[in-house]
Amino acid sequence: GESVGLHLPTLSVQEGDNSIINCAYSNSASDYFIWYKQESGKGPQFIIDIRSNMDKRQGQRVTVLLNKTVKHLSLQIAATQPGDSAVYFCAERAGGSYIPTFGRGTSLIVHP
Amino acid sequence: DAGITQSPRHKVTETGTPVTLRCHQTENHRYMYWYRQDPGHGLRLIHYSYGVKDTDKGEVSDGYSVSRSKTEDFLLTLESATSSQTSVYFCAISERDTYGYTFGSGTRLTVV
Repeated sequence: GESVGLHLPTLSVQEGDNSIINCAYSNSASDYFIWYKQESGKGPQFIIDIRSNMDKRQGQRVTVLLNKTVKHLSLQIAATQPGDSAVYFCAERAGGSYIPTFGRGTSLIVHP
Repeated sequence: DAGITQSPRHKVTETGTPVTLRCHQTENHRYMYWYRQDPGHGLRLIHYSYGVKDTDKGEVSDGYSVSRSKTEDFLLTLESATSSQTSVYFCAISERDTYGYTFGSGTRLTVV
């Protein structure tokens, strides 16, 4: 069957490079954002989250930046590795709701 | 994925037949969700449950029904499968206060 990665924007990088994956959200009432990673044939996995009272949050090799002015979210992956190859998508959640809205995702391809 | 199991992992069925997918969790989480994922689309919510016997519709609920008779099990039923329901189905669980989801590994359903 078709991979979920088809029909998605694709980012190709070399191993060791830094990767930046972008996400635009639409709801100005969204107050919580999550990045997920989905490898082929698997379910999405939580990577990192950020609340709207922050503009930056760091994890292990990953950083999420939030720009509420332009409703933009980015995920930065440092020293990208072949194991980072996957589809990455963001989710936004509006205040008062516990159900997020998921974006379509970006396919990251890391070349050794 | 730890704590959440979907069955079956793969199924091929004929148009017009009923199909039931099962999601089982061992985390005692209150909230459970069914999503479908198709190429070109993000994750789309079918139905969700906020407790035993408490369920509600998502954005693509037509043709689907759900049941939750126990905290640990959430069943998704296609009463009369159609080819448009060929998809990968994901179950997810969450505790409201933590907001983030844990996803199952998915069920790939093909309706022929």
